[in-house]
Amino acid sequence: AQRVTQPEKLLSVFKGAPVELKCNYSYSGSPELFWYVQYSRQRLQLLLRHISRESIKGFTADLNKGETSFHLKKPFAQEEDSAMYYCALRIQGAQKLVFGQGTRLTINP
Amino acid sequence: EPEVTQTPSHQVTQMGQEVILRCVPISNHLYFYWYRQILGQKVEFLVSFYNNEISEKSEIFDDQFSVERPDGSNFTLKIRSTKLEDSAMYFCASRPQGRNSPLHFGNGTRLTVT
Repeated sequence: AQRVTQPEKLLSVFKGAPVELKCNYSYSGSPELFWYVQYSRQRLQLLLRHISRESIKGFTADLNKGETSFHLKKPFAQEEDSAMYYCALRIQGAQKLVFGQGTRLTINP
Repeated sequence: EPEVTQTPSHQVTQMGQEVILRCVPISNHLYFYWYRQILGQKVEFLVSFYNNEISEKSEIFDDQFSVERPDGSNFTLKIRSTKLEDSAMYFCASRPQGRNSPLHFGNGTRLTVT
């Protein structure tokens, strides 16, 4: 079965420091990968997806098929980045998203 | 910006009672979903709905669960006879046509079964 693993439940970094939230997946085909973010008291919202190869709010994520990873990175963290981050996978032909456990990111001033 | 809306925000019910969770997806969206998140656990897929029928469902979505789009705007999740373990946050989501279109989530309904 497909699985998404986010090994860190909690991650705390200082403002201005680099951030990397890890995501590994298990799927033998070509996956679609997403990062969703949930700010305090707000809904889950899409942050970015691998097919877009875009940078959103300074975050980037590169799909590494060899390592089956889709880590989320930002070179300089900001306090407003504090949130819950979920990595998610959709397999070819399927409707559902498979979510990881989530990582709570806290940016300390 | 249009949003997915869910009502109520919090529902308390007794074990064995039926409960209906309501969602209004974004109006031009074609795919509809229910997910749930038990406290401290992952967001889990329950069911997807397209063209007035279930397109995919998980093993969680057993005979106690049903979905309906009764009037072209609402999308409901019914649990026939609630159990304690149904207590969770239930999220509705929708997305437009397009294979890679992202999901838009509602704020969720917190269901507490006592």
